[in-house]
Amino acid sequence: DAMVIQNPRYQVTQFGKPVTLSCSQTLNHNVMYWYQQKSSQAPKLLFHYYDKDFNNEADTPDNFQSRRPNTSFCFLDIRSPGLGDAAMYLCATSRLPSDSGSTDTQYFGPGTRLTVL
Amino acid sequence: AQSVAQPEDQVNVAEGNPLTVKCTYSVSGNPYLFWYVQYPNRGLQFLLKYITGDNLVKGSYGFEAEFNKSQTSFHLKKPSALVSDSALYFCAVSPPGGTALIFGKGTTLSVSS
Repeated sequence: DAMVIQNPRYQVTQFGKPVTLSCSQTLNHNVMYWYQQKSSQAPKLLFHYYDKDFNNEADTPDNFQSRRPNTSFCFLDIRSPGLGDAAMYLCATSRLPSDSGSTDTQYFGPGTRLTVL
Repeated sequence: AQSVAQPEDQVNVAEGNPLTVKCTYSVSGNPYLFWYVQYPNRGLQFLLKYITGDNLVKGSYGFEAEFNKSQTSFHLKKPSALVSDSALYFCAVSPPGGTALIFGKGTTLSVSS
């Protein structure tokens, strides 16, 4: 089945120690997104890629970076995790927007729960 | 500012009874409307969406949603709730020209046996 895969499902890191979360997809979607979700709140968009075009949300901290080496894979790098970065990180994919510009259905991976000690 | 409101933090329903989870939005133009469900420690699962056409949209697991343009609402419904429907439900809107989904804060549905 086509799907969005995130690894690892649970990640523990130490304060200030860089960490990388990965996402892969078999849906062949052009757009990939990274969201941060804290304690059952609404997901907060960090950034997204239209193919290789990177789009950063204005309020995404510089501590967060992303890479998309090819259509299937996308990585989230947290350069110096703080206690406030502990959260669920969700990857999502979608087809390119419609002619109206509205984003199409986003399909989410299972998430990676990050703990910062 | 564009926004999505889910006025109830929690909805409690007995198994077998109908359920409604409410959503209203404030977005200009004709947005796409979505419902997602999230189980504990899992990602969001797509339930259904409205783009255009019939105001009643049918989705996964017996859920449906009713679009009301004059009230700018998109309420999620199910005729007969199951205990396994207990989860966190998010309404989301994609504005015209928008690159992101605007999410409501979520509603926890609790179905008791």
